[in-house]
Amino acid sequence: DVVMTQSPLSLPVTLGQPASISCRSSESLVYSDGNTYLNWFQQRPGQSPRRLIYKVSNRDSGVPDRFSGSGSGTDFTLKITRVEAEDVGVYYCMQGTHWPPYTFGQGTKLEIK
Amino acid sequence: QVQLVESGGGLVKPGGSLRLSCAASGFTFSDYYMSWIRQAPGKGLEWVSYISSSSSYANYADSVKGRFTISRDNAKNSLDLQMNSLRAEDTAVYYCVRGTREPSTWGQGTLVTVSS
Repeated sequence: DVVMTQSPLSLPVTLGQPASISCRSSESLVYSDGNTYLNWFQQRPGQSPRRLIYKVSNRDSGVPDRFSGSGSGTDFTLKITRVEAEDVGVYYCMQGTHWPPYTFGQGTKLEIK
Repeated sequence: QVQLVESGGGLVKPGGSLRLSCAASGFTFSDYYMSWIRQAPGKGLEWVSYISSSSSYANYADSVKGRFTISRDNAKNSLDLQMNSLRAEDTAVYYCVRGTREPSTWGQGTLVTVSS
């Protein structure tokens, strides 16, 4: 299985400050069609996961532009320019390139300091 | 709007069976691959299975292969997961999800508890 390793696993952030989450894969996530299937999800407390970013850097409709994704190959990053209270939750990266199976990172818990 | 509603979860004894269902609405169901993803209590996310748009093929995680069967009915906009020989480690919230490589929409989940 492709292992997705996130860091940090816990991220206390002051309101209005930036935040960054790293995600590294054990293999390159470039698929044979040339795309890199790396997604980011947000799971707020008590809710289902919600996709924020797909194909490394494409933001989903309705996702605030303070969220951005970047990276290539095996190293990826999710950045939040200014953390707001509604951003509290667990963030997961997920690779959709290699099956079986598609795999998720362990999750990064973002909390307000 | 796109909506996925799971049902069928509950308490089952080890070795028992359960069938989960997902009702889809707000999009052309037959155009999309569909998946089941689960989350054990307080844990991370684990892919379970996916099925192609026309049911021509399906894939399973090694942890459920031979025990779980995914199916769909495009006429009824529904997705199912038949779970047999259930184990304690199958205890989780099971999410119905639209898509595979870029899972876009998730249901609210249904809790399956395997315990004697």
